[in-house]
Amino acid sequence: DGGITQSPKYLFRKEGQNVTLSCEQNLNHDAMYWYRQDPGQGLRLIYYSQIVNDFQKGDIAEGYSVSREKKESFPLTVTSAQKNPTAFYLCASSLGETQYFGPGTRLLVL
Amino acid sequence: AQSVTQLDSQVPVFEEAPVELRCNYSSSVSVYLFWYVQYPNQGLQLLLKYLSGSTLVKGINGFEAEFNKSQTSFHLRKPSVHISDTAEYFCAVSSALDYKLSFGAGTTVTVRA
Repeated sequence: DGGITQSPKYLFRKEGQNVTLSCEQNLNHDAMYWYRQDPGQGLRLIYYSQIVNDFQKGDIAEGYSVSREKKESFPLTVTSAQKNPTAFYLCASSLGETQYFGPGTRLLVL
Repeated sequence: AQSVTQLDSQVPVFEEAPVELRCNYSSSVSVYLFWYVQYPNQGLQLLLKYLSGSTLVKGINGFEAEFNKSQTSFHLRKPSVHISDTAEYFCAVSSALDYKLSFGAGTTVTVRA
């Protein structure tokens, strides 16, 4: 069953803590993306990777980090430097121009 | 760089009535255009896309959209909506050069019986 999986569905962060969101795809897509969604603001690009071992900053990369060691996986770390991390995080992948999205992770701050 | 404006933040509509969601974009290069739908607490699902060719594009669930280059618009339509069409709809544009998507702020469609 091909697709994009994100885990966990809900994640709670304590102040000063780093947390990592998982994104895995078995679609054999080259490119992967992380977006942040806030109410009324659409989706904003955090980081993207077009090939293994390479990634670029998006529009709102401050306070976030990523790695792309495997084609199937693109984890996102929300660091303590991100002062307003509460949001819905969406991962996507593409082979060409069309992006397909995972189910999302909702991050909440305790 | 590209940008997208969705002209309506909320659209209430009665069941079986038609609906149109308006989307305008700006770009200095050739673009690809997309409409996605998001149900509560879920990811985005692709409704339809325009890459090239015919300006009238048909998608899933009875939706269609028309690309108008002179008006830089890509409006989404459905002739008869169902309760299950209640969702948020996003228009997005990408450059033919790098495929990075820029999203509109979204339009919330609420279908009432």
